[in-house]
Amino acid sequence: QVQLQESGPGLVKPSETLSLTCTVSGGSMDFYYWSWIRQPPGKGLEWVGYFYSSEKFNFNPSLKSRVAISVDTSKKQFSLKLTSVTPADTAVYFCARVALPGTTGGWFDPWGQGTLVTVSS
Amino acid sequence: DIVMTQSPDSLAVSLGERATINCKSSQSLLYNYDNKDYLAWYQQKPGQTPKLVMYWASTRESGVPDRFIGSGSGTDFTLTISSLQPEDVAVYYCQQYYSTPSFGQGTKVEIK
Repeated sequence: QVQLQESGPGLVKPSETLSLTCTVSGGSMDFYYWSWIRQPPGKGLEWVGYFYSSEKFNFNPSLKSRVAISVDTSKKQFSLKLTSVTPADTAVYFCARVALPGTTGGWFDPWGQGTLVTVSS
Repeated sequence: DIVMTQSPDSLAVSLGERATINCKSSQSLLYNYDNKDYLAWYQQKPGQTPKLVMYWASTRESGVPDRFIGSGSGTDFTLTISSLQPEDVAVYYCQQYYSTPSFGQGTKVEIK
């Protein structure tokens, strides 16, 4: 079964760029949408963005000007970059797959375990 | 963007009693093409990843106990736990996938 694992620095300074990688194992990246979702400490879930291939992306409008997602299918990895971070970007960041192939019209499953990123000087 | 609003924010229910969580969307989640409601429910226990409980508003994920019941259509949805068990203590989120995804703010379920 497909498993996802996030990795990256746990501490980022304000105004710098947050960079995280999600590694996919147990299955192909083909034909699915892959996503980033975040959760500030003690708060709810916020969708960050998703992609289908290196050409199809969509981002949360509230973050769109600061977000980029890149893909390396040979390594079965995709990455998130969030620029000009502030303490408000402190959150657990999850990667997840849209459960149904070839569509954004599906729930998220599976999820990675999540990684906490703290924005602080 | 579709806004999802859950109620209540928290509830305390006695063991064995019914817990009811509501979720309202700012526009209909019923897709006429396939007559399905594009809504999922997740359970998140402290320090854990959200776990899928329900999709298509009322289809129980494999392995989820049948005391979890999803209902509703259009803009109003409900997740009912018919007989609350200790392991059901968690925060529950609804999520729409009709358009760019959005989540409700969560409902915390506790034991009274």
